[in-house]
Amino acid sequence: QVQLLQSGAEVKKPGASVKVSCKAQGYTFDHYVVSWVRQAPGQGPEWMGWISNSNGNTKYAVKFQGRVTITADTSTSTAYMEVKSLTSDDTAVYYCARDSSRGSYVDYWGQGTLVTVSS
Amino acid sequence: QSALTQPASVSGSPGQSITISCTGTNSDIGLYNYVSWYQHHPDKAPKLMIFDVSYRPSGVSDRFSGSKSGNTASLTISGLQAEDEADYYCSSYSSTYIPYVFGTGTKVTVL
Repeated sequence: QVQLLQSGAEVKKPGASVKVSCKAQGYTFDHYVVSWVRQAPGQGPEWMGWISNSNGNTKYAVKFQGRVTITADTSTSTAYMEVKSLTSDDTAVYYCARDSSRGSYVDYWGQGTLVTVSS
Repeated sequence: QSALTQPASVSGSPGQSITISCTGTNSDIGLYNYVSWYQHHPDKAPKLMIFDVSYRPSGVSDRFSGSKSGNTASLTISGLQAEDEADYYCSSYSSTYIPYVFGTGTKVTVL
């Protein structure tokens, strides 16, 4: 069955960077787009960006452009999301999610990775 | 900030029906029939319950149903069960630069 397995929780200091991984299992990785979504405490989810694993094209929400980088290694079916220059506002659970073949919704999610930014 | 508005909490007794609303704009819910709903139990991966307004993925109970009118979508859970207690989020495709907008979330409590 489809599974997205994310890396473990991270604690970072302000100004540092964090890189979260998402290993896909149970489907052909390069046939689907992978989105990254974050959820800050007490808030709803927020779409950050995505990568097309068929051609490597990426798209980012305007607020994350220049500070977030999404990459993928098709040889290991793993997507990555790096956030630089962390602040306390980046404390959140970060999810990877597979876009459906219809492209109108995400159909499978990872279990989430808690990133805590604290001095 | 979330773009879609949901009630913070909804509760019901076992066997009852509850409905969760999700209000958006003419740029998302009002423009597309691409509303999805997700169930999220703590420390688990969110689970897709409804896509394209009213379609259920294979394996999702038919106690879950979705609908839309104008800029507002709704998720109805009938025959409420203890296992339905979770957070629920709506999402819609959007005509803005961001493809997916999400709701503020609704905590469902089974009394």
